[in-house]
Formats: sequence, structure tokens, C-alpha cells
Amino acid sequence: AQRVTQPEKLLSVFKGAPVELKCNYSYSGSPELFWYVQYSRQRLQLLLRHISRESIKGFTADLNKGETSFHLKKPFAQEEDSAMYYCALSGNSGGSNYKLTFGKGTLLTVNP
Amino acid sequence: ETGVTQSPTHLIKTRGQQVTLRCSSQSGHNTVSWYQQALGQGPQFIFQYYREEENGRGNFPPRFSGLQFPNYSSELNVNALELDDSALYLCASSAAGVGVGKNIQYFGAGTRLSVL
Repeated sequence: AQRVTQPEKLLSVFKGAPVELKCNYSYSGSPELFWYVQYSRQRLQLLLRHISRESIKGFTADLNKGETSFHLKKPFAQEEDSAMYYCALSGNSGGSNYKLTFGKGTLLTVNP
Repeated sequence: ETGVTQSPTHLIKTRGQQVTLRCSSQSGHNTVSWYQQALGQGPQFIFQYYREEENGRGNFPPRFSGLQFPNYSSELNVNALELDDSALYLCASSAAGVGVGKNIQYFGAGTRLSVL
């Protein structure tokens, strides 16, 4: 079974502080991990995909297979980073290719 | 390039009724996935359609059904609505295959369904 856990429902930091949003997963095969973000009044959009290994808006995430984690990090948070962040896992179980299993999300608030 | 569009944006139904939600996929995409997002939860996979065939299903009863059309647009049908069906329904389209940009799901804005 696929499972994604985001232990923090809410995370509040000050502008300029480092931020880390935690994500742990459970999957028997070789998963693909994503971070999706939803800004206020906007649709869910892709932020990062682990196989791309790129930095988007200053965010990075490294897949740690030993710890089954895919934490999202940014060294200096900005107010415009305030949003809901979802970690998601994609696998081929259940017959569907690349269905996404989402965590419950972390609401990040960056205070001025 | 046109993004994923869903209609209607909001819908109010009563218990026992039936509802049809619609989704137009992004240009060039051949796969559509549907998700249910209850308040305070992450999206939950309902099913996926690829080339007009159901290509996997989540833990949802048979009264949740769907269709995909030759132009890759899709419908989600829910029969015998229950109060717990009240949620945001999201459609996501993707291009199945191998390579850059493949299998990335792009989401619509959703349809907010309220069952009274």
C-alpha cells in the first residue's frame, strides 16, 4: 500500500528563516515523489519532482530511500511562500499508472 | 496551450440524487485522473482513464463511475449521492509515456460539490 505522511499540519516561520516541510512515505516498489503547492485562491500546481533534481523558487527536496523521506527545504523563506504544500507519491500499484497518493498537507505561513 | 478546465465550479445536490462533473484535459494529454478532496485532507485518488478505458481505481464504491471521450475529455458520475460525498472534486490530466514532461499531472481548479 502507498502512504504519505506529512507530520505537521501547520508551520509558521519568519521571513528570512530556513524552512523544512517534512514528508515520509511508505511504498514497496520504487516510487516517484513530488511536491505540489496551492497558493491562496489558486489551483494545485507542481513545485518539484524528485527525478528532476532541480531547485524551484529556491526550494529543494532530496529523496532519502533509507529514511523513506522527501523533505522540502528552503534556506530563506519569503512571504510569498505562504501556501499549502502537499507531498505526493506516484507508483504503479493497483493497476493505474502514475496515480498520486497525497499527504494531508502542511500549511506554511511566512510572517513578516 | 489551454490548461485543465472543470465544470461546473460549484454544485448543490440533495441526498440520493445523481451528479455529472466534467473535465477538459490539457492540450496534448491523453490521461485523466479524478480525485476527491474532503475538507482538511489531501486529494484522494478515485480513478484514472487512459485512451477511453479505466486504468486503475482507488477505494471508491461503484456508484462513482467515469468516462473518457475520444478528445480525452472526461466525466465523473456519482449516483445515489450521500452527505459524505460533499467535497472538492479535482481532475488532473497528463501525457502518458517516457521522457521529459511525461506523467506529470496538471490539475484543474475543481468542482465544489455540496450534498444536502
